[in-house]
Amino acid sequence: EAGVAQSPRYKIIEKRQSVAFWCNPISGHATLYWYQQILGQGPKLLIQFQNNGVVDDSQLPKDRFSAERLKGVDSTLKIQPAKLEDSAVYLCASRRIADKSYEQYFGPGTRLTVT
Amino acid sequence: SQKIEQNSEALNIQEGKTATLTCNYTNYSPAYLQWYRQDPGRGPVFLLLIRENEKEKRKERLKVTFDTTLKQSLFHITASQPADSATYLCALDPTGGTYKYIFGTGTRLKVLA
Repeated sequence: EAGVAQSPRYKIIEKRQSVAFWCNPISGHATLYWYQQILGQGPKLLIQFQNNGVVDDSQLPKDRFSAERLKGVDSTLKIQPAKLEDSAVYLCASRRIADKSYEQYFGPGTRLTVT
Repeated sequence: SQKIEQNSEALNIQEGKTATLTCNYTNYSPAYLQWYRQDPGRGPVFLLLIRENEKEKRKERLKVTFDTTLKQSLFHITASQPADSATYLCALDPTGGTYKYIFGTGTRLKVLA
């Protein structure tokens, strides 16, 4: 089966600009996650979707970050305006609800550099 | 406060030896704990899950233990190989049911030939 797809793989923007990331999860995976991974740290959950509904967005900086998952499949994460501290890798992951190992499948990530 | 701690220092070991990585957590009562492997420039890859009622879990050369009294999980790679060099992350679901994961900072393992 195809893995989690993300694009772009790399993005460089100036502070105060906006940026959007796209994720296509594995077919049939109802749960989708966006994580932020700063260099040298573990992934930090930003938002969790189940189908097209938000399950948890408590750590999403809502003044600048937004995410949507229309039709319960693809998802986009947007940052507007970007700050220097947003430089990180943004990882998308998906999970099949019935999977008893609770395994998350991660995409390759988008590396964002804010200058 | 709640936290998950892994050895922040890189671990260098000789090929063929057993690597042991530690994951300690405080103020959580997870029903299970997961281990992932992350290579540079890639997303994490799931390795193993261990539940609170399991003392030990094995998969090929990997072994995970889970001590809920000590609030600690140990991850062992036996007969380590240079290809095992990567960062290893532990993760837990703090609420035991919402499938929302908290990750540790990861430990970088380097296996020397």
